[in-house]
Amino acid sequence: DIQMTQSPSSLSASIGDRVTITCRASQGISNYLAWYQQKPGKVPQLLIYAASTLQSGVPSRFSGSGSGTDFTLTISSLQPEDVATYYCQKYNTAPGFGGGTKVEIK
Amino acid sequence: DVQLLESGGGLVQPGGSLRLSCAASGFTFSNFAMNWVRQAPGKGLEWVSSIIGSGGNTNYADSVKGRFTISRDISKNTLYLQMNSLRAEDTAVYYCAKSSGQYYFYSYMDVWGKGTTVSVSS
Repeated sequence: DIQMTQSPSSLSASIGDRVTITCRASQGISNYLAWYQQKPGKVPQLLIYAASTLQSGVPSRFSGSGSGTDFTLTISSLQPEDVATYYCQKYNTAPGFGGGTKVEIK
Repeated sequence: DVQLLESGGGLVQPGGSLRLSCAASGFTFSNFAMNWVRQAPGKGLEWVSSIIGSGGNTNYADSVKGRFTISRDISKNTLYLQMNSLRAEDTAVYYCAKSSGQYYFYSYMDVWGKGTTVSVSS
């Protein structure tokens, strides 16, 4: 089974900061990688698919990159409404999620 | 609007059974794979099971294999999860999620329901 590892597990940053979250697959998954945002007490929402394609309606400050085993989610300028836990998910075979990264405001 | 509405959660004793349902609307149900994803209290997302659009192929996480059964009724636009031999560690919010394509592989989850809560306790 392919394992998905996210880092860091949590981070605290200031408004306007650039935030980077990393997701690593234990084997290559091409670009079959999605990112989800889950705000406190809410349902997960799709942010990015195919590693770098922004879902409709998602602010352009979010971006994704990577292919193979190493992937990155970047928030170019952190906003208060971005406080959430972010999950990566592989979908080249059966789905599998990373452990999540909790983003807070400093 | 694409909508998914889960139901059937509740409190059940260890060893008991429960059937979850997910009523789908706003899209051609048979054209898309469907998934169940759960989230234990204070924990991350865990994939549970998936079924392809036509219903002919299913897949399960090792943690539920042999105990849970996913199915779909295309005539009713409804997805099901039959959960048997429930354990305390199955306690979670269970989400129904639509795949972006016919197959759960090569498809991401583009729409999620609000979830239904399952508690397994004596």
